[in-house]
Amino acid sequence: NAGVTQTPKFRVLKTGQSMTLLCAQDMNHEYMYWYRQDPGMGLRLIHYSVGEGTTAKGEVPDGYNVSRLKKQNFLLGLESAAPSQTSVYFCASSYSGLPPGELFFGEGSRLTVL
Amino acid sequence: GENVEQHPSTLSVQEGDSAVIKCTYSDSASNYFPWYKQELGKRPQLIIDIRSNVGEKKDQRIAVTLNKTAKHFSLHITETQPEDSAVYFCAAVNAGKSTFGDGTTLTVKP
Repeated sequence: NAGVTQTPKFRVLKTGQSMTLLCAQDMNHEYMYWYRQDPGMGLRLIHYSVGEGTTAKGEVPDGYNVSRLKKQNFLLGLESAAPSQTSVYFCASSYSGLPPGELFFGEGSRLTVL
Repeated sequence: GENVEQHPSTLSVQEGDSAVIKCTYSDSASNYFPWYKQELGKRPQLIIDIRSNVGEKKDQRIAVTLNKTAKHFSLHITETQPEDSAVYFCAAVNAGKSTFGDGTTLTVKP
């Protein structure tokens, strides 16, 4: 099992460009999440999904869009990148049953917006 | 929504000493409290967790305690080793959503 895989791992964009981050998981998890990690600010939830075809906003959704067309994939899009979106992005997935379970993270994607 | 505060933000201990990291949460509906360890340049990974119906859990050198009434939980690491040096995050989970503290950078000096 590969677990949670993110692509690309590194990307440099110019202000105003667009891009998509892809997250794939092979654990049959219902829940998937996108977090951003900035120095001293922990992990902040951007968007999440509780199942195929569903998405919901997290703490910091502005400037991002997501789609969950297939259960195993969760895409994060930036339509018009801004320097404030320079960050490390982590995708995660979890089991949806009760009791709740741990988050399994991808390796992270480092995005720099110039 | 949920708010999680974590203290201290940095902690430096001598090898063999104990380390304690504390978190408070605001939403009484949160029912699962995991702790993640993140080594430099790596992904966060779960090290221990506790559910709301349990007061304490131990796994070798690490333990977590939960006080639901006061809405706080703590991570205890005993006999620290240099490989324990990392950033530690607490989280409070409600309905599948995890809210994280800002992290504690633990440095264990040999």
